This record gives sequence, structure tokens and C-alpha cells, in this order.
Amino acid sequence: NSKVIQTPRYLVKGQGQKAKMRCIPEKGHPVVFWYQQNKNNEFKFLINFQNQEVLQQIDMTEKRFSAECPSNSPCSLEIQSSEAGDSALYLCASSPSGSGNTLYFGEGSRLIVV
Amino acid sequence: GDSVTQTEGQVTVSESKSLIINCTYSATSIGYPNLFWYVRYPGEGLQLLLKVITAGQKGSSRGFEATYNKEATSFHLQKASVQESDSAVYYCALSLTSGGNYKPTFGKGTSLVVHP
Repeated sequence: NSKVIQTPRYLVKGQGQKAKMRCIPEKGHPVVFWYQQNKNNEFKFLINFQNQEVLQQIDMTEKRFSAECPSNSPCSLEIQSSEAGDSALYLCASSPSGSGNTLYFGEGSRLIVV
Repeated sequence: GDSVTQTEGQVTVSESKSLIINCTYSATSIGYPNLFWYVRYPGEGLQLLLKVITAGQKGSSRGFEATYNKEATSFHLQKASVQESDSAVYYCALSLTSGGNYKPTFGKGTSLVVHP
């Protein structure tokens, strides 16, 4: 059973609407990852954090995606204006360290954009 | 960039038969990556099945084994006798250990269906 808690499990949004997902990492894990898994099962790395600082992120040139991991609050991933192509499973994972370590996943938030 | 290739999208096996799920990888960093198999059982989140951090070593868990073959850049998953409860989606992954690239790379997964 996942100790990484993701909410909500499902989101249904209209095109142009905001979509926000939250993640509580496993206790004691300072590193958090967000991945997008599309209908072809491909994993796309989005961003990762160590504590509250961004380690790496994709070039979110569309600027529709934003993420944060504030101290003492859940991490979050937000899509400002949802598009049909954003429909996917969004996975949050935490890790005890950034380099080469095991990832511990939540069950994911499935976004459907209609 | 780094990549992980799983050639089979789905594998169907009868219970008690042997299994091999193929995984090859390409890593651009200096040194050798850590290699992982993750599994997603129906209705559950993705979880670690096994990992190997040293080239030439074998990892095992729940009757599954995988050997880190740096010459062939492969990390195939094997099991001698599968059970219906092994039906799941299996993902091969690599994670670099140096160079500041912290994002693990995943294959597209292989769905294992075990018939009774």
C-alpha cells in the first residue's frame, strides 16, 4: 500500500479549466518527483524537488504547468488551462535521496479533459 | 538522452510456465546506472519489485530475478514458474548515480497476463 498520498484520484475538467493535484510524500523523503503517464504508458518527467527547491524540470514553455512543494504543506501540480492532450495519469513519487535511489509512488491522479 | 526499451507490450503465459520480460537500456552518463524493475498490480500503485546497483550482480524478489548485464546493456526479468497473482504491468527503469541528473527513466511497461 502506498505511503505517498495523492489526491484526488480522478479529475474531470473542461478544456481551459484549471486542474490541481496534490501529493504528500512519504515521511522523511526530501525528494519529490512528478511524472505524466500517457495513454501509451510512456512516462514523461515533469519536475522534481529537494525539500522546497526545484532540482530539475522540463521546459514548461507553455507555462501552463506549475508545481511547488512548500514546507509543511502538500506538494502540488497545477495545470492552468487544461487541454485534451493533458489527459493522463499524473504520478507523484518520493525518494530518500535524489541520485540513483528507489522511487516510492502514489496511486496517481487521473486527469480527463473533456 | 537516456532510454529504456521493453520490446513486448504484453506477454501471456500459462500458470507454472517460465517467463522472461526483456529490457535493454542506454545511459549517457559516465559510470553505470542503477537498474530497477517496478510493478503495478491491478488497483494498486507502482511499487519496486527489485533493484541492482552493481554491474554483473543479480537481484531477486517474489521469485523474480534480473541480472545487470553491462556488456549487453540488458536487465531482463525472469521467473521460473509464474502464478496467476503475478498478472500485472512490469516497468524497467534506470537511475543515474552521478552527473546531477536525478530523474529516473522508465520503459513503456510490459503487461503480464497469466492464465490458469
